[in-house]
Amino acid sequence: DIQMTQSPSSLSASVGDRVTMTCRASQAISNYLAWFQQKPGKAPKPLIYAASYLQSGVPSKFSGSGSGTDFTLTISSLQPEDFATYYCQQYNSYPWTFGQGTKVDIK
Amino acid sequence: EVQLLESGGGLLQPGGSLRLSCAASGFTFSSYAMSWVRQAPGKGLEWVSTISGSGGRTDYVDSVKGRFTISRDNSKTTLYLQMNSLRAEDTAVYFCAKVNGDWGQGTLVTVSS
Repeated sequence: DIQMTQSPSSLSASVGDRVTMTCRASQAISNYLAWFQQKPGKAPKPLIYAASYLQSGVPSKFSGSGSGTDFTLTISSLQPEDFATYYCQQYNSYPWTFGQGTKVDIK
Repeated sequence: EVQLLESGGGLLQPGGSLRLSCAASGFTFSSYAMSWVRQAPGKGLEWVSTISGSGGRTDYVDSVKGRFTISRDNSKTTLYLQMNSLRAEDTAVYFCAKVNGDWGQGTLVTVSS
């Protein structure tokens, strides 16, 4: 199985900060990577697919990059509604696997 | 607008069975692969199963193989998850999701004696 490792596990940031988090796959997954945002008690919201393509309706402050084993999610200017947990997921091969999440909270 | 509405969750004893449903609308259901993903209380996300648009291909995480069955009825635009021989570790919120798309709000399955 492909293991997905996210770092950091949590981070504290201020409104307006540029935030970057990473996701590393245990083997190459091309660009078959998605990012999700989840707020407490809510369903995950898809943000990005194919490593760098924004889902419809997702603001352009979110961006994704990477290919192979190393990926990043960047939020260009953190807003109050962005405080949440972010998950990556590989869908290159079954079983599909998620990272353990990066929790973004208020500094 | 895409809508995915799960139902069928509940409380049941170990060894029991349950069928989850996910009613889909707002898109051409038969054109999309669909998945079930679960989240145990306070834990991260775990992919459970995916079915192709036609229903001809299914895949499962090892921990549910032989116990869970994913299926779909494209005429009813509904996704299903038949869950048998349930264990305490199957306790989770179960989400249905359009692959690379929208997710439902989830339904809670609690397995406890």
